[in-house]
Amino acid sequence: DARVTQTPRHKVTEMGQEVTMRCQPILGHNTVFWYRQTMMQGLELLAYFRNRAPLDDSGMPKDRFSAEMPDATLATLKIQPSEPRDSAVYFCASGLASGTGSTGELFFGEGSRLTVL
Amino acid sequence: AQSVAQPEDQVNVAEGNPLTVKCTYSVSGNPYLFWYVQYPNRGLQFLLKYITGDNLVKGSYGFEAEFNKSQTSFHLKKPSALVSDSALYFCAVRDINTGGFKTIFGAGTRLFVKA
Repeated sequence: DARVTQTPRHKVTEMGQEVTMRCQPILGHNTVFWYRQTMMQGLELLAYFRNRAPLDDSGMPKDRFSAEMPDATLATLKIQPSEPRDSAVYFCASGLASGTGSTGELFFGEGSRLTVL
Repeated sequence: AQSVAQPEDQVNVAEGNPLTVKCTYSVSGNPYLFWYVQYPNRGLQFLLKYITGDNLVKGSYGFEAEFNKSQTSFHLKKPSALVSDSALYFCAVRDINTGGFKTIFGAGTRLFVKA
């Protein structure tokens, strides 16, 4: 059963520490999205990639967040330094897109729950 | 810019009754529209989508949705609710005219189905 895999599932850290979340998209998918879910803000789009190239990361706080795709099987979201307000569930999703957009649905991982003390 | 509104934070319905979860959208061009469901401590799962064609689309678990271009709405419906339908439901939109990749979600609507 193909699925998006996210690690870690849970992370508790102290303010100022670096946090790296990883995502393995479904094999063959060429778009990857990072979302953050909180009670107050709902689902926020942080960044997304197509064919490993970043298309839009305007949703991320640039000074502390970075997102990369070192290869087609790995996407990373890094926070350095972390702050308590970064506490949230971070979701990775992947999908299949053609050259003129994507009609397909997104497949979500189970999320990484981050708590920054 | 594209946006999605889900005007109800919560919908309550009795088991066996029909349910509707509302969604309106705003895009500069033509939309691709989606519904997803989220169960506690899980990721979102796809239910159905509208891309083109018939305005009434059918999806998983007996859900359906109707695309209404004039009202810019895409309401989720089910003829007979089950207790197991209780979950958080998200509407999402992609704007074809801005590349068709960026997917924006509504705030979510919590559905409670009472036995």
